[in-house]
Order: sequence, then structure tokens, then C-alpha cells
Amino acid sequence: QQQVKQSPQSLIVQKGGISIINCAYENTAFDYFPWYQQFPGKGPALLIAIRPDVSEKKEGRFTISFNKSAKQFSLHIMDSQPGDSATYFCAALYTGGFKTIFGAGTRLFVKA
Amino acid sequence: DGGITQSPKYLFRKEGQNVTLSCEQNLNHDAMYWYRQDPGQGLRLIYYSQIVNDFQKGDIAEGYSVSREKKESFPLTVTSAQKNPTAFYLCASSTHRNSYEQYFGPGTRLTVT
Repeated sequence: QQQVKQSPQSLIVQKGGISIINCAYENTAFDYFPWYQQFPGKGPALLIAIRPDVSEKKEGRFTISFNKSAKQFSLHIMDSQPGDSATYFCAALYTGGFKTIFGAGTRLFVKA
Repeated sequence: DGGITQSPKYLFRKEGQNVTLSCEQNLNHDAMYWYRQDPGQGLRLIYYSQIVNDFQKGDIAEGYSVSREKKESFPLTVTSAQKNPTAFYLCASSTHRNSYEQYFGPGTRLTVT
């Protein structure tokens, strides 16, 4: 119930294409769903986040789609660029607590 | 510059030795966290601390210990009891109000042989 399942493990996209990463959760108590971006040798950084009362959130080329009934959410990266090549982690948490549950991560490579 | 510093970036130890990883933050954050990152397993919580002189075990605390004597510092000791200590260790912090927005340090890669 505490798991967040993330797919795919790795993804190769052509420059200008759309990158899509999917996540699924079980615990309906989760009320905040962030995505973190991590470049090699660095710590993750918060990229974008969504609450379950919203079906979509867009920030620049990054969009989160959220399906509460299916307990799934996804990250879409539009017009993917080589600089987007990184590992992406979805996560879920209950904001009344301190524990964030992370997905296993997706390594994205954008080909120039 | 505000942020989280972890030192050293790379650390090598012999099996059976305890080793302490440093984490310092100047963001004035109340909460601090230690995560372990292994390939294909995401980030797993080792310990977290909400306030000075208080900390709680995370999912994989066995073989690790921490202290929180100062607000800005949260060192992690990897003891000889940790069966598989080689990993990338990440420290993070957050405000108490916004515990869901975590700021991460650059990490320490520990190799034990």
C-alpha cells in the first residue's frame, strides 16, 4: 500500500518529441504528488507537483496528468531537449506526515 | 548562497569500519532527512528529524545512526552492522510547514570494500 510504481525504467526520445513517464499508487491517503529531476552526480530537485483535486498541471514544457479514480499520474515533457536527459522520480505523500514515497525512477535520454 | 552541503563527495572505507557522512544546511529548515539511493530502487528513507534533539527511523534504519544536536547539522553514521553499505547517500531538508517540498544536497557516494 505504501508503494509507488513507476514506468518505464528507461526511455529514449528524439529531440522535439514527447516524453511520458507513468506512476501508480495504492494508498488513497496520499494527497500530494511531486516529481523530482536528478542529473548524474547531483541530488534530486523538485520539478513540479500536483494535488489530487486537480486533473492537470502545466509548467512550461512539463505537464502532470492526474487520474484519481485510477490512482495514476503521469509526467509529460513536451518538445523534449537533450538538456532534459536525467532521471525522473515520481513520489507520493500525505502532507500531514513527513514521509515521501518515491518511485524507482526513469532514466530519460533525449537524442539530439 | 543558501543550500545543503554534503561532504565528502566520494568516500572509501574498509569493511568493518564505521564512517560518518556530513550534512549541513543554511536554509533554516526544521526538518532533515537521510536517503539511500541504489540503482533501480529509487530513494529509501533511512532517518528523519523534525526538530533538534529528535529523530525517527525510516524504512531502512538498521545499521545506521544519526544525531541532531544543531538545527543546521544532521550527520549520518554508517556502522559496521550495515550489511551492504555501498550506495549513494542523499541528505535533504524541508520547512516544518512544507515538509512535502524537500531540498536535496549533492550526495555522498560511499564505497566499502
